[in-house]
Amino acid sequence: GAGVSQSPRYKVAKRGQDVALRCDPISGHVSLFWYQQALGQGPEFLTYFQNEAQLDKSGLPSDRFFAERPEGSVSTLKIQRTQQEDSAVYLCASSLAQGSNQPQHFGDGTRLSIL
Amino acid sequence: GENVEQHPSTLSVQEGDSAVIKCTYSDSASNYFPWYKQELGKGPQLIIDIRSNVGEKKDQRIAVTLNKTAKHFSLHITETQPEDSAVYFCAASISGGMNDMRFGAGTRLTVKP
Repeated sequence: GAGVSQSPRYKVAKRGQDVALRCDPISGHVSLFWYQQALGQGPEFLTYFQNEAQLDKSGLPSDRFFAERPEGSVSTLKIQRTQQEDSAVYLCASSLAQGSNQPQHFGDGTRLSIL
Repeated sequence: GENVEQHPSTLSVQEGDSAVIKCTYSDSASNYFPWYKQELGKGPQLIIDIRSNVGEKKDQRIAVTLNKTAKHFSLHITETQPEDSAVYFCAASISGGMNDMRFGAGTRLTVKP
């Protein structure tokens, strides 16, 4: 398909384990965003990439969260030493142009559960 | 930073009736206002958006209005159908390379057949 693809769809981990979440954006999209969505809430911004450059990581909740997009396409969000409060749906979105004031196309997310 | 408030949190209408969801924003520099529909287990899907140089935009049964002075915008769905049932999110964003799109808390719309 031509949409944003995220994997895995579901991830269960024990507290303290590291996890890695993958995002395949729409081909050719310059901008890539990661959001965290708690149950019953709207998405909250985590970090933004323009091509391979991480221009904004102000929304990352702690230094246990790390994101990369080394070749300007696929991105990985890594969470180290997971805590129960990390349980949420992690959404990836991409857009054709730079900045957040352009239409963003979302993947279906990864639902992360920390036991 | 930007703060977006959305009302109501839940909305139930009869099939064929109209539904209106309202949002307010705090930062007068915000100039892009998308609306997303999210179905269970899916990611948000963009259904309509409006920029601050436009007061109203319509796409078939969906319309969005923007009042920059009052800093609020609304989503209008006419002739609702059961498949319109979902959670709807409004959002606001600022131009100029800023990266901070803020979302409302969502409205769960139920359309009863």
